[in-house]
Amino acid sequence: KAGVTQTPRYLIKTRGQQVTLSCSPISGHRSVSWYQQTPGQGLQFLFEYFSETQRNKGNFPGRFSGRQFSNSRSEMNVSTLELGDSALYLCASSLASMGTEAFFGQGTRLTVV
Amino acid sequence: DQQVKQNSPSLSVQEGRISILNCDYTNSMFDYFLWYKKYPAEGPTFLISISSIKDKNEDGRFTVFLNKSAKHLSLHIVPSQPGDSAVYFCAASDSNTGNQFYFGTGTSLTVIP
Repeated sequence: KAGVTQTPRYLIKTRGQQVTLSCSPISGHRSVSWYQQTPGQGLQFLFEYFSETQRNKGNFPGRFSGRQFSNSRSEMNVSTLELGDSALYLCASSLASMGTEAFFGQGTRLTVV
Repeated sequence: DQQVKQNSPSLSVQEGRISILNCDYTNSMFDYFLWYKKYPAEGPTFLISISSIKDKNEDGRFTVFLNKSAKHLSLHIVPSQPGDSAVYFCAASDSNTGNQFYFGTGTSLTVIP
Protein backbone atom coordinates (compact mmCIF):
# COMPACT_ATOMS: atom_id res chain seq x y z
CA LYS A 1 0.00 0.00 0.00
CA ALA A 2 1.48 3.33 -1.02
CA GLY A 3 2.16 5.83 1.73
CA VAL A 4 1.54 9.55 1.81
CA THR A 5 3.15 11.25 -1.17
CA GLN A 6 4.19 14.87 -1.12
CA THR A 7 5.45 16.82 -4.11
CA PRO A 8 7.78 18.45 -4.70
CA ARG A 9 10.37 17.33 -2.14
CA TYR A 10 12.40 20.52 -2.40
CA LEU A 11 11.50 24.01 -3.48
CA ILE A 12 13.33 27.34 -3.59
CA LYS A 13 11.26 30.47 -3.96
CA THR A 14 11.86 34.20 -3.78
CA ARG A 15 10.23 36.51 -1.24
CA GLY A 16 6.88 37.76 -2.46
CA GLN A 17 6.19 34.76 -4.67
CA GLN A 18 3.54 32.17 -4.03
CA VAL A 19 3.86 28.40 -3.80
CA THR A 20 1.59 25.38 -4.02
CA LEU A 21 2.43 22.08 -2.34
CA SER A 22 0.67 18.84 -3.07
CA CYS A 23 -0.23 15.83 -0.93
CA SER A 24 -1.71 12.49 -1.95
CA PRO A 25 -2.97 10.59 1.10
CA ILE A 26 -2.96 6.87 1.67
CA SER A 27 -5.65 5.23 -0.42
CA GLY A 28 -8.95 5.27 1.45
CA HIS A 29 -7.91 7.97 3.89
CA ARG A 30 -10.24 10.95 3.88
CA SER A 31 -8.57 13.21 6.43
CA VAL A 32 -5.54 15.26 5.42
CA SER A 33 -3.67 17.59 7.76
CA TRP A 34 -0.79 19.95 7.15
CA TYR A 35 2.00 20.85 9.56
CA GLN A 36 4.93 23.23 9.45
CA GLN A 37 8.19 22.22 11.08
CA THR A 38 10.85 24.76 11.91
CA PRO A 39 13.84 24.41 14.25
CA GLY A 40 12.49 27.02 16.64
CA GLN A 41 8.79 26.12 16.71
CA GLY A 42 8.73 22.38 16.20
CA LEU A 43 5.71 20.86 14.46
CA GLN A 44 2.87 23.36 14.19
CA PHE A 45 -0.59 22.48 12.91
CA LEU A 46 -1.75 24.41 9.86
CA PHE A 47 -5.13 22.94 8.94
CA GLU A 48 -7.11 19.76 8.49
CA TYR A 49 -9.45 18.72 5.72
CA PHE A 50 -12.01 15.96 5.82
CA SER A 51 -14.25 15.14 2.87
CA GLU A 52 -13.25 18.39 1.13
CA THR A 53 -14.18 20.55 4.16
CA GLN A 54 -11.72 22.39 6.35
CA ARG A 55 -12.44 21.23 9.90
CA ASN A 56 -9.64 22.82 11.90
CA LYS A 57 -7.24 25.67 11.35
CA GLY A 58 -4.10 26.50 13.26
CA ASN A 59 -2.79 29.91 14.21
CA PHE A 60 -1.30 30.94 10.87
CA PRO A 61 -1.95 34.07 8.78
CA GLY A 62 -4.41 34.04 5.92
CA ARG A 63 -1.51 33.76 3.45
CA PHE A 64 -1.63 30.05 4.23
CA SER A 65 -4.55 28.29 2.61
CA GLY A 66 -5.47 24.84 1.44
CA ARG A 67 -8.05 22.72 -0.20
CA GLN A 68 -9.01 19.10 -0.65
CA PHE A 69 -10.32 17.49 -3.77
CA SER A 70 -12.97 14.80 -4.14
CA ASN A 71 -10.25 12.12 -4.43
CA SER A 72 -8.89 13.30 -1.03
CA ARG A 73 -5.74 14.78 -2.54
CA SER A 74 -4.88 18.09 -0.94
CA GLU A 75 -2.98 21.20 -1.85
CA MET A 76 -1.55 23.89 0.34
CA ASN A 77 -0.85 27.38 -0.92
CA VAL A 78 1.30 30.09 0.59
CA SER A 79 1.06 33.53 -0.96
CA THR A 80 3.42 36.50 -0.62
CA LEU A 81 6.21 34.35 0.73
CA GLU A 82 8.36 35.64 3.58
CA LEU A 83 11.80 34.46 4.68
CA GLY A 84 10.22 33.04 7.83
CA ASP A 85 8.12 30.66 5.75
CA SER A 86 11.21 28.56 5.10
CA ALA A 87 10.40 25.23 6.71
CA LEU A 88 9.63 21.58 6.22
CA TYR A 89 5.95 21.24 5.33
CA LEU A 90 4.45 17.91 6.29
CA CYS A 91 1.21 16.34 5.24
CA ALA A 92 -0.49 13.61 7.27
CA SER A 93 -3.40 11.40 6.35
CA SER A 94 -5.83 9.59 8.63
CA LEU A 95 -8.40 6.95 7.87
CA ALA A 96 -11.22 8.17 10.05
CA SER A 97 -12.58 11.52 11.09
CA MET A 98 -11.15 11.33 14.61
CA GLY A 99 -9.26 9.23 17.10
CA THR A 100 -7.05 7.51 14.59
CA GLU A 101 -3.38 7.44 13.68
CA ALA A 102 -1.94 10.09 11.40
CA PHE A 103 0.62 8.93 8.84
CA PHE A 104 3.06 11.46 7.48
CA GLY A 105 4.64 11.98 4.12
CA GLN A 106 8.32 12.80 3.58
CA GLY A 107 7.62 16.49 3.52
CA THR A 108 8.41 19.38 1.21
CA ARG A 109 11.44 21.46 2.14
CA LEU A 110 10.64 25.07 1.20
CA THR A 111 13.42 27.63 1.16
CA VAL A 112 12.53 31.28 0.68
CA VAL A 113 15.40 33.52 -0.43
CA ASP B 1 1.22 28.16 24.73
CA GLN B 2 2.84 24.71 24.56
CA GLN B 3 0.11 22.24 25.44
CA VAL B 4 2.37 19.21 25.01
CA LYS B 5 5.82 19.22 26.55
CA GLN B 6 8.81 16.96 26.35
CA ASN B 7 11.16 18.32 28.96
CA SER B 8 14.17 16.21 28.09
CA PRO B 9 15.76 17.40 24.85
CA SER B 10 18.10 14.42 24.77
CA LEU B 11 18.62 10.96 26.23
CA SER B 12 21.49 8.48 25.91
CA VAL B 13 21.04 4.79 26.66
CA GLN B 14 23.23 1.71 26.35
CA GLU B 15 22.21 -0.88 23.80
CA GLY B 16 20.02 -3.55 25.37
CA ARG B 17 18.82 -1.32 28.20
CA ILE B 18 15.44 0.36 28.55
CA SER B 19 14.78 3.80 27.06
CA ILE B 20 12.07 5.86 28.75
CA LEU B 21 10.83 8.98 27.01
CA ASN B 22 8.43 11.27 28.83
CA CYS B 23 5.70 13.65 27.76
CA ASP B 24 3.38 15.96 29.70
CA TYR B 25 0.24 17.72 28.54
CA THR B 26 -1.93 20.44 29.98
CA ASN B 27 -5.23 20.15 28.13
CA SER B 28 -7.61 17.81 29.97
CA MET B 29 -9.66 17.43 26.78
CA PHE B 30 -6.87 15.47 25.09
CA ASP B 31 -7.96 11.87 24.79
CA TYR B 32 -5.80 10.39 22.05
CA PHE B 33 -2.04 10.24 22.03
CA LEU B 34 0.59 9.18 19.52
CA TRP B 35 4.34 8.65 19.51
CA TYR B 36 6.49 9.23 16.43
CA LYS B 37 10.10 8.62 15.50
CA LYS B 38 11.76 11.11 13.19
CA TYR B 39 14.99 11.40 11.25
CA PRO B 40 16.22 14.78 9.94
CA ALA B 41 14.56 16.02 6.74
CA GLU B 42 12.04 13.15 6.80
CA GLY B 43 8.45 12.88 7.89
CA PRO B 44 7.64 11.41 11.32
CA THR B 45 7.10 7.66 11.42
CA PHE B 46 4.15 6.49 13.50
CA LEU B 47 5.15 4.16 16.35
CA ILE B 48 2.29 3.59 18.75
CA SER B 49 -0.92 5.17 19.97
CA ILE B 50 -3.05 5.13 23.09
CA SER B 51 -6.58 6.21 23.80
CA SER B 52 -7.58 7.72 27.14
CA ILE B 53 -9.76 4.69 27.88
CA LYS B 54 -6.55 2.70 28.36
CA ASP B 55 -3.52 3.20 30.56
CA LYS B 56 -1.13 0.98 28.62
CA ASN B 57 -0.59 -0.15 25.06
CA GLU B 58 2.10 -2.50 23.82
CA ASP B 59 3.52 -3.18 20.37
CA GLY B 60 6.62 -5.32 20.28
CA ARG B 61 9.49 -3.50 21.95
CA PHE B 62 7.39 -0.35 22.40
CA THR B 63 5.02 0.28 25.29
CA VAL B 64 3.18 3.50 26.00
CA PHE B 65 1.84 4.30 29.46
CA LEU B 66 -0.78 6.94 30.14
CA ASN B 67 -1.42 8.54 33.53
CA LYS B 68 -4.48 10.72 33.02
CA SER B 69 -4.54 12.16 36.53
CA ALA B 70 -0.98 13.37 36.13
CA LYS B 71 -1.47 14.29 32.47
CA HIS B 72 1.63 12.31 31.68
CA LEU B 73 2.58 9.67 29.19
CA SER B 74 5.75 7.75 28.61
CA LEU B 75 7.22 5.57 25.90
CA HIS B 76 9.30 2.57 26.93
CA ILE B 77 11.61 0.89 24.44
CA VAL B 78 12.95 -2.48 25.55
CA PRO B 79 15.54 -3.54 24.61
CA SER B 80 16.99 -0.44 23.01
CA GLN B 81 18.87 -0.89 19.75
CA PRO B 82 21.26 1.45 17.89
CA GLY B 83 18.69 1.75 15.11
CA ASP B 84 16.34 3.38 17.61
CA SER B 85 18.54 6.48 17.64
CA ALA B 86 16.32 9.30 16.38
CA VAL B 87 14.15 12.15 17.62
CA TYR B 88 10.93 11.03 19.29
CA PHE B 89 7.81 13.18 19.36
CA CYS B 90 4.67 12.73 21.36
CA ALA B 91 1.43 14.18 20.04
CA ALA B 92 -2.01 14.66 21.54
CA SER B 93 -5.47 15.46 20.25
CA ASP B 94 -9.00 16.08 21.41
CA SER B 95 -10.53 13.47 19.14
CA ASN B 96 -13.93 15.15 19.35
CA THR B 97 -12.59 17.99 17.25
CA GLY B 98 -10.94 15.87 14.59
CA ASN B 99 -7.36 15.01 13.77
CA GLN B 100 -5.61 18.18 14.93
CA PHE B 101 -2.53 17.05 16.83
CA TYR B 102 -0.40 19.08 19.21
CA PHE B 103 3.23 18.00 19.22
CA GLY B 104 5.92 18.13 21.85
CA THR B 105 9.31 19.55 20.98
CA GLY B 106 10.93 16.14 20.75
CA THR B 107 13.55 14.10 22.59
CA SER B 108 16.70 13.03 20.77
CA LEU B 109 17.51 9.44 21.72
CA THR B 110 21.00 8.05 21.24
CA VAL B 111 21.49 4.32 21.77
CA ILE B 112 25.15 3.56 22.38
CA PRO B 113 26.38 0.21 21.02
